[in-house]
Amino acid sequence: DAGITQSPRHKVTETGTPVTLRCHQTENHRYMYWYRQDPGHGLRLIHYSYGVKDTDKGEVSDGYSVSRSKTEDFLLTLESATSSQTSVYFCAISGTGINTGELFFGEGSRLTVL
Amino acid sequence: DQQVKQNSPSLSVQEGRISILNCDYTNSMFDYFLWYKKYPAEGPTFLISISSIKDKNEDGRFTVFLNKSAKHLSLHIVPSQPGDSAVYFCAAPNFNKFYFGSGTKLNVKP
Repeated sequence: DAGITQSPRHKVTETGTPVTLRCHQTENHRYMYWYRQDPGHGLRLIHYSYGVKDTDKGEVSDGYSVSRSKTEDFLLTLESATSSQTSVYFCAISGTGINTGELFFGEGSRLTVL
Repeated sequence: DQQVKQNSPSLSVQEGRISILNCDYTNSMFDYFLWYKKYPAEGPTFLISISSIKDKNEDGRFTVFLNKSAKHLSLHIVPSQPGDSAVYFCAAPNFNKFYFGSGTKLNVKP
């Protein structure tokens, strides 16, 4: 199994509070991704990183920011959480870039915004 | 605009029979496709892939078929087993972004 750890695995928070989810990998992979999974929508890309300090937006980036100061860590921040951000968040990594390779996923972080 | 679509949210199949999961895509630039399997409370795991230069790829009980002219791919599971019950996502990468379908929940009945 790819060494991907997400934390926290579960979090309940209130509307308007900041939240940070962490993804840590031990594979030294270049590419890291944050997805959210919602019923009827599948997996939607929030942000991704192609190297330290190199990030780009995905399909549903509004309300989210990311940072990657080290190869092994990719942080997803909700500056002011809203109920629409209640979801399951998955981090994924790839060593080759996803145009030819595959993504390896973490176990997910379930976030509930009340 | 959803570039990868799975129009069947669920599928129920008897154990031992064939399961066929379908996926359509709109972007003709896609040249590589993957299927992922997801159990509850776990992350998706890679199942099988196919390059656009092929029309079939087989791995044990799992076969993926690609019809480029129809922009359609399908995953066949033969024979289906209860342990195959999961959500299946098709996916396609393009310019370092990975597009997923909405998933099909497969239930294999004993």
